[in-house]
Amino acid sequence: DQQVKQNSPSLSVQEGRISILNCDYTNSMFDYFLWYKKYPAEGPTFLISISSIKDKNEDGRFTVFLNKSAKHLSLHIVPSQPGDSAVYFCAASDSGANSKLTFGKGITLSVRP
Amino acid sequence: NAGVTQTPKFRILKIGQSMTLQCAQDMNHNYMYWYRQDPGMGLKLIYYSVGAGITDKGEVPNGYNVSRSTTEDFPLRLELAAPSQTSVYFCASSGGIWIFGQGTRLTVV
Repeated sequence: DQQVKQNSPSLSVQEGRISILNCDYTNSMFDYFLWYKKYPAEGPTFLISISSIKDKNEDGRFTVFLNKSAKHLSLHIVPSQPGDSAVYFCAASDSGANSKLTFGKGITLSVRP
Repeated sequence: NAGVTQTPKFRILKIGQSMTLQCAQDMNHNYMYWYRQDPGMGLKLIYYSVGAGITDKGEVPNGYNVSRSTTEDFPLRLELAAPSQTSVYFCASSGGIWIFGQGTRLTVV
């Protein structure tokens, strides 16, 4: 039973365009959401997060949107750069459950020059 | 540099051998975690700890053991290695944001 779903395994966009990465969740107890970026042979690195009390959080080129009623969040990267090519993981936490993170399967983003 | 340090980076084990994956953090985080990542899959939680002396099972604990005698260290033990344990293992600690180590790539043959 997958509680965090990233249904698209891959995404390819042109440099300079917007990348939109989607994530859905099923557990209504999740109240904190994070996006991680992972390059090959490296550990995941934190990118951006959002609390369930907000519907948007922005950090430079990265914006995360949260739609609680739809149990859906998305990561927007604009403009996309070739260095953004990596695997992006959506993760969620229930703050009342010892802060365990539940991950999606990841989306491989390729940004074409 | 502050962060999470994992050793070794790579290891090949024979079936039935045992080993310990080391994890250390210097951020004084109470929460520590072990995840495994299989190809095409997300990270699955093996064990976690909310503080020294306290550990608990995650989603996929079978075949593993952990201990947490200090705040800094959270080793993961494989007693009888099996091919199904071939994976990349990530340790993480959290003080609000989860910080991951570089990973240990383990192959069991």
